[in-house]
Amino acid sequence: EADIYQTPRYLVIGTGKKITLECSQTMGHDKMYWYQQDPGMELHLIHYSYGVNSTEKGDLSSESTVSRIRTEHFPLTLESARPSHTSQYLCASSESPRGSANTGELFFGEGSRLTVL
Amino acid sequence: RKEVEQDPGPFNVPEGATVAFNCTYSNSASQSFFWYRQDCRKEPKLLMSVYSSGNEDGRFTAQLNRASQYISLLIRDSKLSDSATYLCVVNPRGSARQLTFGSGTQLTVLP
Repeated sequence: EADIYQTPRYLVIGTGKKITLECSQTMGHDKMYWYQQDPGMELHLIHYSYGVNSTEKGDLSSESTVSRIRTEHFPLTLESARPSHTSQYLCASSESPRGSANTGELFFGEGSRLTVL
Repeated sequence: RKEVEQDPGPFNVPEGATVAFNCTYSNSASQSFFWYRQDCRKEPKLLMSVYSSGNEDGRFTAQLNRASQYISLLIRDSKLSDSATYLCVVNPRGSARQLTFGSGTQLTVLP
């Protein structure tokens, strides 16, 4: 069983509020990711991190920001939520095997389902 | 055109049936391939990697056809617990950051 946790699982808030989605993993993984997934649609990478103090934007443009101050913690923040931000946000982590390019196993948290009214 | 395309289904099959899903990818330089499983309102989990020579894990068989740029997943003797969405995942350049997910094929196994 993967040890990666997201809170809150469900969040319903009004437009203009600041929100932070928490993600923590206890596996010591260097790499962490945030994906966005709408119902019936594919996952899109919005942020990733190779390690502490390393963050980069993913392929899908997002108004959210992330930080990686500790290896185990990768929170995502929306300064001013809008209805267009309504979606499921999935945090994931993976190992960094040396000398291997076949990195395919991501361990996902259970997701944070955000609804902005 | 999407980088990874899957038939969305749904596939509704009786228990015990054999069912196959295909997935096509557009980047001919893609290096590695995977099938993930996602239960309803749950997170995706790795089901199996797909190797060039094809590979089997119990009732599940995965195959890769590089010339035609498609991968397949075969499920034999379907169980009710196999009901889920199956995501085709392609890794174009060997970096986990580059994983591209298909939108998934929904399978329902009926009693």
